[in-house]
Amino acid sequence: DADVTQTPRNRITKTGKRIMLECSQTKGHDRMYWYRQDPGLGLRLIYYSFDVKDINKGEISDGYSVSRQAQAKFSLSLESAIPNQTALYFCAIDRGETDTQYFGPGTRLTVL
Amino acid sequence: QKEVEQNSGPLSVPEGAIASLNCTYSDRGSQSFFWYRQYSGKSPELIMSIYSNGDKEDGRFTAQLNKASQYVSLLIRDSQPSDSATYLCAVNSGYSTLTFGKGTMLLVSP
Repeated sequence: DADVTQTPRNRITKTGKRIMLECSQTKGHDRMYWYRQDPGLGLRLIYYSFDVKDINKGEISDGYSVSRQAQAKFSLSLESAIPNQTALYFCAIDRGETDTQYFGPGTRLTVL
Repeated sequence: QKEVEQNSGPLSVPEGAIASLNCTYSDRGSQSFFWYRQYSGKSPELIMSIYSNGDKEDGRFTAQLNKASQYVSLLIRDSQPSDSATYLCAVNSGYSTLTFGKGTMLLVSP
């Protein structure tokens, strides 16, 4: 979705490194989400935020942290990356249309 | 744990045929249902949303919802090779979050 950008698009890192994935949106939507996708496991919710002061854990938050620096930005951090965090990571926004979510282009993260 | 189940496929159909994709969900309180299409290595793209029992049509796509049976389906008419992708079913799971199925791979052969 053109409303949502993610950086970096690809990242290779080593075990134990700290990594930050960034998500930005241009339309001022309140609700933002982080998902990871693994082959055969589908999309799983990591964290979600409804505004700068409202951050919630999703299904698989262990090993991750987030920050909502501003309404437009929602960052996902891996404090000490491990190989099983190798996955596709997607940020999504809800435009307020009855739970409808729109996804950013994704970040492919590889942890060696 | 709220669950959304889909057959992983692949579902293979010839070009021009109707593809039928199915999804069941566990939470009877769910009110919003979505179908996303995802090409390999790309992000999910919203195709359809449906909120009421019955059918909803948009071009070649028809979503069908049966809340009593906890079942939602997607029909793709006149399937094209460009429809070959993984189709994700998503169901609202409270607090404006979605639970996704693992997806069904669709292959449309020319």
